[in-house]
Parts: sequence; structure tokens; C-alpha cells
Amino acid sequence: QSVLTQPPSMSAAAGQKVTITCSGSNSNIGINYVSWYQQFPGTAPKLLIHDNDKRPSGIPARFSGSKSGTSATLGITGLQTGDEATYYCETWDSLSPGLVFGGGTKLSVL
Amino acid sequence: QITLKESGPTLVKPTQTLTLTCTLTESALRIAGVGVGWIRQSPGQALEWLAVIYWNDDKRYSPSLKSRLTIAKDTSKNQVVLTMTDVDPKDTATYYCARRLTVLNAFDIWGQGTVVNVSS
Repeated sequence: QSVLTQPPSMSAAAGQKVTITCSGSNSNIGINYVSWYQQFPGTAPKLLIHDNDKRPSGIPARFSGSKSGTSATLGITGLQTGDEATYYCETWDSLSPGLVFGGGTKLSVL
Repeated sequence: QITLKESGPTLVKPTQTLTLTCTLTESALRIAGVGVGWIRQSPGQALEWLAVIYWNDDKRYSPSLKSRLTIAKDTSKNQVVLTMTDVDPKDTATYYCARRLTVLNAFDIWGQGTVVNVSS
């Protein structure tokens, strides 16, 4: 059971927008940066967003991140079938202390 | 572009010690702000962070596994080694190493992962 809560699954139609939430607390998201990763089955995760809302070089602008209070969100616009993957949030938890990942959200593109 | 590659046994017996090695293609471990971490993923489960070591030898461990883990770096070999004692079938997972940059607060480059089975 992770201290970061994500919906286990979401679905949306191709071309639409989806927002994946990551809920935490004052000891993690509330005071630390959030990162987001994309993982396809059988492959290593890939960094999509760091420092709440920064995209590494090569990540399309369709992917965006934001944070408000103790929650963070990953937004994906113009959904493509190739976006079908599992998405994880990650941050530092100052109470543990340690790095924590969310439980992951499996995204289906209809 | 730097790459990371994990290596280690594919099968370990319960109660044994597991040793995993992460080899980097470049000598990044001397560069300020660079760290290497280990993350695992049990079949069908979420990612779980294990440990991270930084260029200055600062080490951090998962609180739940701290007593069983040791992380160390060999800068001359561009390697980071993770040791896990007293393994259990619950430790069966794919183990990843990844570079962590303090300026990004994230793991920006990941290895392909190595599968470890714990079974008698």
C-alpha cells in the first residue's frame, strides 16, 4: 500500500485528454517535487515529468504536470494508442524518510 | 548518452544473499549531483524504491528494507553494487538501476532491468 494514491486504471478515447491524479500528504507531495514515469509492459520506466511540471528533452508537449497542495496531476492531450501504458508518480517522503512511488495507473486508449 | 546495465544471478535460494551490479558506460559517479538508485518491480506490481547512492557517497535506503540492504559504488569500475541479505520468495522481481540527478529530482536514465527469482 503506497503513501501515494493513484487510480488503478483509466480509459479515454483517442484524441481526447486525460488527467491522472496522484494524492499524497504534507510529508511528501506537499513539500517535495513530483516526477512522473511511463512504463510499457516488459520495459523499463521512462521519465516524463520532473520537478512537478518540467519535461525532459524529447518528451512531447502533450504531456504536462502540475501540483497543488498534496496532489499532483499528469495530463496527456491528444491521446494516441501508443500512450497505452502504466503511469507512476514519485516523490520523496520526508516522514519515512524515503523515495515513494504511486501504485500506478494503467491507461487504456479506446 | 550514458547507459546503465544490471547484472546478477537469475535464481537465488531463500535465506541467501543477493548481489546485483549496475555498470555505467561512463564515469558519471564522480560528477557532482549524480546518483544511482535501485528500484524493483514484483510481477504485476508497482515500482518499489530500494536504495540510492550519490557521488559524494551519501546513501539512502528504503525504511522497510534498510536492515537487509547495502549499496556501494566502485568509481574506478563505474559500478554500483546492491546487496540484499536473507532473501525470500517475496523478493522475486525485476530489479532496475537508474541514474538520479539532484537537479532533476528524478531517475532520468534506467537500465533494462534484471529478473531475479527467489526459490528453493
